Parts: sequence; C-alpha cells; structure tokens
Amino acid sequence: ETGVTQSPTHLIKTRGQQVTLRCSSQSGHNTVSWYQQALGQGPQFIFQYYREEENGRGNFPPRFSGLQFPNYSSELNVNALELDDSALYLCASSSERLNTGELFFGEGSRLTVL
Amino acid sequence: AQSVTQPDIHITVSEGASLELRCNYSYGATPYLFWYVQSPGQGLQLLLKYFSGDTLVQGIKGFEAEFKRSQSSFNLRKPSVHWSDAAEYFCAVGGSARQLTFGSGTQLTVLP
Repeated sequence: ETGVTQSPTHLIKTRGQQVTLRCSSQSGHNTVSWYQQALGQGPQFIFQYYREEENGRGNFPPRFSGLQFPNYSSELNVNALELDDSALYLCASSSERLNTGELFFGEGSRLTVL
Repeated sequence: AQSVTQPDIHITVSEGASLELRCNYSYGATPYLFWYVQSPGQGLQLLLKYFSGDTLVQGIKGFEAEFKRSQSSFNLRKPSVHWSDAAEYFCAVGGSARQLTFGSGTQLTVLP
C-alpha cells in the first residue's frame, strides 16, 4: 500500500509567478485535502476535493485553486504568488467509504516565494 | 467558528519523565478531536482521535488523551517519554473528520 506522495518537495518562485503542486492519494482513498503550514504555525485548511469537485474551502482567496483527477490524484494551483504564500503545503487523503476519520498526510511541498 | 489553543509553545522534559500537552478547543457541537505529531521535514502522523464514547482514548506510541467536555479540553499524556518522542505536536478539532482546524503546536524537547 503506497502512502500519500507529493511533488515537488522544494521549490522557489518569485512574486507574481504561478505554481502547481501535485499529490497522489493513498491507495483506496477518494478524498484529498490541502493544507498550508506557515513557519511556526499549525496547518490551515485550504480546500478539499471529493469525486473531482471542491467539497469545502477554508479562508483562502480564489487565486488558490485545485483539481482532482479520476484516479483521485490532485493539484493545487496558486496564481500571482505573494511573499506570504511561502509555506509547507500538505496534502492529505482519506476515504469517505471507510469513514475512519483519519487523514493521511504526505511530507509536503515547501514553497519559498522571493 | 471553531478554534484550538495550545498554550505551551515549547516544553522540555527529561527522558523517562511523564508528559502532558494541553489543548483547549472551541466548537459548537460535539467535536471530533485529534492529536498529530510532526517530525522535522515530515508530514503529520495521527497519534489518536476522539469521536464519541469513552473519554479516555489510547493511541500509538504509548500516548493517551482525555476528553473533558466541561473544560473544553483534550490533553495528551504519556507516562514515560522516550528521546524519539521529540517532535512538534498538534491538536486539531473538526465537525467533519476531514476538515480540521489545528492549533499552533507544541514543540517537545527531550533531555537525555
């Protein structure tokens, strides 16, 4: 059973650029959530995808967008990057079917915006 | 709105000593409560969760937590800390188990 994998692990962008982060969910999981973790803070919920549709969103502007694909993998896109977008972006998968209530997290993509 | 407060930013204990990490939450109904651990450069690993039933829950690595509704608390405990327990610990609350609000974390240092 493979876990949640994220890519890239690290990346550096400049203000105004766009970034795409990728996530492969754990085998058998059909729900993907994205969290932003700024340095020294707890993770903050960005949004969740279930059956390829957004299924809940936190307090993030529209320039944060996402996709979920038929194989349940997901992308997080951030447009017009700002310095405050520098953070660790965590993807988590879960299974509505199993309803264990546990989120399985990847190791994250660390984004630095200069 | 739901929120989580972890009052202790940093805790230092000696190996073999007992540990208690505090967590207070705000939520309008019966919450789902979680404790996660994060090692440097790693993602989050679930230690334990509370949904309903017995208010004392057991988790992995010898951790336990007690839900106290009257105090809106869900404190994490371990009777004897190991050096490998050094990490950052996050308490989280959610109405749906898959949309969580996290606290700002408690960094645990373990002295030899």
